[in-house]
Amino acid sequence: EAQVTQNPRYLITVTGKKLTVTCSQNMNHEYMSWYRQDPGLGLRQIYYSMNVEVTDKGDVPEGYKVSRKEKRNFPLILESPSPNQTSLYFCASSSWTSRGRNTEAFFGQGTRLTVV
Amino acid sequence: GEDVEQSLFLSVREGDSSVINCTYTDSSSTYLYWYKQEPGAGLQLLTYIFSNMDMKQDQRLTVLLNKKDKHLSLRIADTQTGDSAIYFCAERRGGYGQNFVFGPGTRLSVLP
Repeated sequence: EAQVTQNPRYLITVTGKKLTVTCSQNMNHEYMSWYRQDPGLGLRQIYYSMNVEVTDKGDVPEGYKVSRKEKRNFPLILESPSPNQTSLYFCASSSWTSRGRNTEAFFGQGTRLTVV
Repeated sequence: GEDVEQSLFLSVREGDSSVINCTYTDSSSTYLYWYKQEPGAGLQLLTYIFSNMDMKQDQRLTVLLNKKDKHLSLRIADTQTGDSAIYFCAERRGGYGQNFVFGPGTRLSVLP
């Protein structure tokens, strides 16, 4: 079954304690990205990766890091979490497409992070 | 501006039609999408439309695209309580790019 798997689903942590949220996809997709979802703001892109070892900042990258050492995995790292990073996080993957051919983004189930 | 815009809330009665509206920003966007998010779940693709189309129908769903006004709408016929969810409009910007830009989401509440 094609899927994007995030772990953990729920996490409560304290300010400053480093954490990693894992994301894995089994569809051999080149493109992966992280979003955060906040009420009234929709999904905002944090980082994205176009392929292994190729990552770039999205709209709200401050306070986050990512890595893409393997095609299937794209972990999100919070080196020193702060309360304003309390949010619902989604990982997504999609394949490259040439102009005119559609591709959809597949989403993980989400990770609800609370930083106290 | 740069944002994809949607109204945040919509309430309808069961059996009525729902219309969720969206305005997007990039006239070169090739595909526009509607995603559905049920409580506690991730986003699932509902439908999409290619930018050279005006309308797409898929069972109870009708997507209308007005490219001149950069306006997209999703109509759900015979709305059911199971349709209660948050609906996100998204545009995929650029030709080869994969940058999906989402609206804030419209929370649809279906009243019995």
